[in-house]
Amino acid sequence: GDSVTQMEGPVTLSEEAFLTINCTYTATGYPSLFWYVQYPGEGLQLLLKATKADDKGSNKGFEATYRKETTSFHLEKGSVQVSDSAVYFCASRGRSNYKLTFGKGTLLTVNP
Amino acid sequence: EPEVTQTPSHQVTQMGQEVILRCVPISNHLYFYWYRQILGQKVEFLVSFYNNEISEKSEIFDDQFSVERPDGSNFTLKIRSTKLEDSAMYFCASTAQTDQNEKLFFGSGTQLSVL
Repeated sequence: GDSVTQMEGPVTLSEEAFLTINCTYTATGYPSLFWYVQYPGEGLQLLLKATKADDKGSNKGFEATYRKETTSFHLEKGSVQVSDSAVYFCASRGRSNYKLTFGKGTLLTVNP
Repeated sequence: EPEVTQTPSHQVTQMGQEVILRCVPISNHLYFYWYRQILGQKVEFLVSFYNNEISEKSEIFDDQFSVERPDGSNFTLKIRSTKLEDSAMYFCASTAQTDQNEKLFFGSGTQLSVL
């Protein structure tokens, strides 16, 4: 079945540091790929998505590119802020089912 | 932005007791989901629900689990006889359609602790 593997956390960075959270997927066909974020005390929110190979999703300074050749969807941000501290989830969704398949989540803490 | 609401935020129960987790999806959404996350593990799909019936369920969703949409607004998850291993954060989600690219709207979760 489909699966998503993302970088184990926690990740601790200083403000303005560069962020990469790795994510790889296995799926039949061509899934859509997502990054969700969960801020403390809140639900999961969609951060960005990409629906086909070589698509780049971007939002709030975060980017991720759908790489079919490496089955990856790594999340990057050039300069993190304290307000980016949250848990980040990589997820995939295939054509023929209703569900999202999630990774374990990566806790990011950004210190001033 | 519209929100999915879950109550309670925390639920503590004794093993063997029944619990009902409640969710109010976004009002014009038609597809509803429950996911859970055991501490330190992946967010796992439990069940999807559409048109008053289950459309898909995982292996986790055994006979101890049931879902219901008792009225036009609530969507509930019932666990008939809780086990220690049911302790997890339970997330409700909804969406207007099941297009592959459509995002799900999630609630903030109910933390269930089974003692």
